[in-house]
Amino acid sequence: TQLLEQSPQFLSIQEGENLTVYCNSSSVFSSLQWYRQEPGEGPVLLVTVVTGGEVKKLKRLTFQFGDARKDSSLHITAAQPGDTGLYLCAGGSGGSNYKLTFGKGTLLTVNP
Amino acid sequence: KAGVTQTPRYLIKTRGQQVTLSCSPISGHRSVSWYQQTPGQGLQFLFEYFSETQRNKGNFPGRFSGRQFSNSRSEMNVSTLELGDSALYLCASSLVARGRETQYFGPGTRLLVL
Repeated sequence: TQLLEQSPQFLSIQEGENLTVYCNSSSVFSSLQWYRQEPGEGPVLLVTVVTGGEVKKLKRLTFQFGDARKDSSLHITAAQPGDTGLYLCAGGSGGSNYKLTFGKGTLLTVNP
Repeated sequence: KAGVTQTPRYLIKTRGQQVTLSCSPISGHRSVSWYQQTPGQGLQFLFEYFSETQRNKGNFPGRFSGRQFSNSRSEMNVSTLELGDSALYLCASSLVARGRETQYFGPGTRLLVL
């Protein structure tokens, strides 16, 4: 069974601070996705990374896929209250039987 | 383009009852996946349907079942409800099954079993 461990589980910071959340596994994934979920809504895809060592930037968010494709990180610069939400990572694997395995998420609260 | 819709949004049932949840994918999407989300276990994959056929299945008991219709709408059924089935049930649609295509999630159905 493939598992994705996310840390920290909870994070509460002040507006303007930087933060990093981590997603780790002992398994190799063909792709890694990050989602943000707001209360009462389903997860919304932020980014997909597929190449080991890949770095993608989305405004103040920087996503990195580990060289061995077993881990990933999400760094947010100058966090804003609008960044508040549950951040989920999901690893894709299985070739012809492709399946997404989700981590339990990091609940981020950015206080004004 | 309308997003993924799920009905009902909220549901309260008692132990032993059964429940049917509905999901309408984005127009043109043929793949629908179902997930169960709980605080303790996170998001867990239930099953995926593509062109009315179940293509993938997670590790859930047989009480959880689903189906997909010719218009790609999907339903999932849970029979003999247990307290532990209380969760947010999410469906997600994508253009094709298998691969790295983007999954678009609906808002979910929150089920409470008393």
